[in-house]
Amino acid sequence: KAGVTQTPRYLIKTRGQQVTLSCSPISGHRSVSWYQQTPGQGLQFLFEYFSETQRNKGNFPGRFSGRQFSNSRSEMNVSTLELGDSALYLCASSSSPGGDYEQYFGPGTRLTVT
Amino acid sequence: AQKVTQAQTEISVVEKEDVTLDCVYETRDTTYYLFWYKQPPSGELVFLIRRNSFDEQNEISGRYSWNFQKSTSSFNFTITASQVVDSAVYFCALSERGYSSASKIIFGSGTRLSIRP
Repeated sequence: KAGVTQTPRYLIKTRGQQVTLSCSPISGHRSVSWYQQTPGQGLQFLFEYFSETQRNKGNFPGRFSGRQFSNSRSEMNVSTLELGDSALYLCASSSSPGGDYEQYFGPGTRLTVT
Repeated sequence: AQKVTQAQTEISVVEKEDVTLDCVYETRDTTYYLFWYKQPPSGELVFLIRRNSFDEQNEISGRYSWNFQKSTSSFNFTITASQVVDSAVYFCALSERGYSSASKIIFGSGTRLSIRP
């Protein structure tokens, strides 16, 4: 079974631009969650999607948005990039929503904002 | 409120030594899940174990073992006969059951483990 894939793996953007990151979950998994990982803040929850519906959103500004498609693939978008948005963005899929089940993570997208 | 503390920021040992990574958690709930994940240099978090709060039995998987003690709110992870490939950042995580949301998973700050040849 193929694992979680994320594209692109690396991205360099300048302040003010916008970016779209993509995540394809494990086949059959309908739950996708996004996390931001930085050295200072650690792993922070961004969004959770299940069956195309956003179930929860973390404490991030409205510049961060996401969606999930009918095939469970998910995208997240960050508009008006700031230097502080530089981070590793991790996507995780799970067979069911929620924290009861293990999550399978992708390799992440490393975003650098200059 | 939930909290996960991994007091050991970095650990460095020589190959073949045993090493224990500590995890202490706080929760007011009686039903919860605990997890360990490994993050190698490649970046993705790799699931290692899930334990629910009613199962205090210790678990062994090859060179890995986990000691869950509710009395001390700890869920420690031991690697026996460490190998260079074990070098990674290890995260402990807590989820209070019933919320059915990944947003309720709290990750510790991680322990960076370096195994020297």
